Amino acid sequence: KQEVTQIPAALSVPEGENLVLNCSFTDSAIYNLQWFRQDPGKGLTSLLLIQSSQREQTSGRLNASLDKSSGRSTLYIAASQPGDSATYLCAVTIQGAQKLVFGQGTRLTINP
Amino acid sequence: GAGVSQSPRYKVTKRGQDVALRCDPISGHVSLYWYRQALGQGPEFLTYFNYEAQQDKSGLPNDRFSAERPEGSISTLTIQRTEQRDSAMYRCASSLRLAVEQFFGPGTRLTVL
Repeated sequence: KQEVTQIPAALSVPEGENLVLNCSFTDSAIYNLQWFRQDPGKGLTSLLLIQSSQREQTSGRLNASLDKSSGRSTLYIAASQPGDSATYLCAVTIQGAQKLVFGQGTRLTINP
Repeated sequence: GAGVSQSPRYKVTKRGQDVALRCDPISGHVSLYWYRQALGQGPEFLTYFNYEAQQDKSGLPNDRFSAERPEGSISTLTIQRTEQRDSAMYRCASSLRLAVEQFFGPGTRLTVL
C-alpha cells in the first residue's frame, strides 16, 4: 500500500528565506507526483506536476524535484513571502490506479 | 475557462438524512474524482469516473455512499442515512484524461448533527 509522508508537519520561517519542503513515498511505481497548495476554506491549487520520467519542474519561485528510486520529492521555495503561507500537500498517482494518494501536508507560515 | 465547481459549498444536515453533493468538472475533462478530507489530513480517495463509467469505487467507506455520472459530465455523490462520522470536506477533481494533472473544486463542507 502506497504511503506518503510529509515532514515537517509545520514550519515557520522569516520572510525572504529560501526553504525546502519534503515528501516521501513508499512505492516507487508512480505515474507522477503533484504538489498542491491549500488555503483555509479554499480548494486545492495545483502548483507543479512531475512525471515519473522527469527529475524536476520549475514555476516561478518554486522548484520541485523527484527522485523516484529513493521515493522522495522536495519543493523548494525561493525568497519566501507572507503570501506563501498555506498548507502544502504532495500526492502521487500510483501505477495501476488513477487515484492520488496524499500526504498529510506541511503547514507553512512566513513571518513578515 | 471556468474551473471545477461544487455545490452546495456548505451542507448541514441531521443524522439519518440523505444528502447529494454535486460536482461540475472543467469542460472537456473526461476523468472525475471524488475525495474526502478530514481536518488536518490530506484528501483520501473515494471513487473516480472515466466518462460515465465508474472505474474504481474502492475508497467508498460503505454502501451508504454512492456516486454517479450518467452523462459523463456532472457527477453526484450521495450519502444515505448520514452519520456524524460522515462530517468532512468532500472534494471533487477533474482531469483531461487519466493519470494527468488533477484540478480540484472548492469542496463541500458537510456537517452532520
